[in-house]
Amino acid sequence: QKEVEQDPGPLSVPEGAIVSLNCTYSNSAFQYFMWYRQYSRKGPELLMYTYSSGNKEDGRFTAQVDKSSKYISLFIRDSQPSDSATYLCAMSPEGAQKLVFGQGTRLTINP
Amino acid sequence: DAGVTQSPTHLIKTRGQQVTLRCSPKSGHDTVSWYQQALGQGPQFIFQYYEEEERQRGNFPDRFSGHQFPNYSSELNVNALLLGDSALYLCASSFRPGSEQYFGPGTRLTVT
Repeated sequence: QKEVEQDPGPLSVPEGAIVSLNCTYSNSAFQYFMWYRQYSRKGPELLMYTYSSGNKEDGRFTAQVDKSSKYISLFIRDSQPSDSATYLCAMSPEGAQKLVFGQGTRLTINP
Repeated sequence: DAGVTQSPTHLIKTRGQQVTLRCSPKSGHDTVSWYQQALGQGPQFIFQYYEEEERQRGNFPDRFSGHQFPNYSSELNVNALLLGDSALYLCASSFRPGSEQYFGPGTRLTVT
């Protein structure tokens, strides 16, 4: 079993829809949670960085962490065609250096 | 403010050869991590360098080695290349180990 599970999709939604992306994990030591966006043939771009449980909002993006359920989510409001990309969740334990990534979900926003 | 840069962009090597990839961290960052990303997969951690020392290593063989220079830039070396080493190699930098990591554009390595 992988430490971080993420549905690879693909996920296709119409422009303007609310998008929900999710990851589950098995390692209870994970304390830091991130979402990265990766366009085709590019490096991952950091979107959200959160510590422990709770919500964090940044513009159209909201990250949620539920440590009791070992479940994290990223919501995208008013989705745009430019949001079409692969979204990667990542996490790490306290004091650790390495990030453990999910497989990534490929998202397409249709005009 | 320059972000993380990597060179070269693309590289084609033959099985058994050796390769060196280079990374310059984002301005103000002193820590460099390397990841391997196979097609359709998330990045896998190779190792991290801080203060010119390897601080943590992932599950990769000794064929993968690295170095960090006094100016914080870093190299990834892979010896005895295998077909399975074909991947996108990503460098990420941060200010101190354990903080937010920012990725470069990657080097796409093809082993034939």
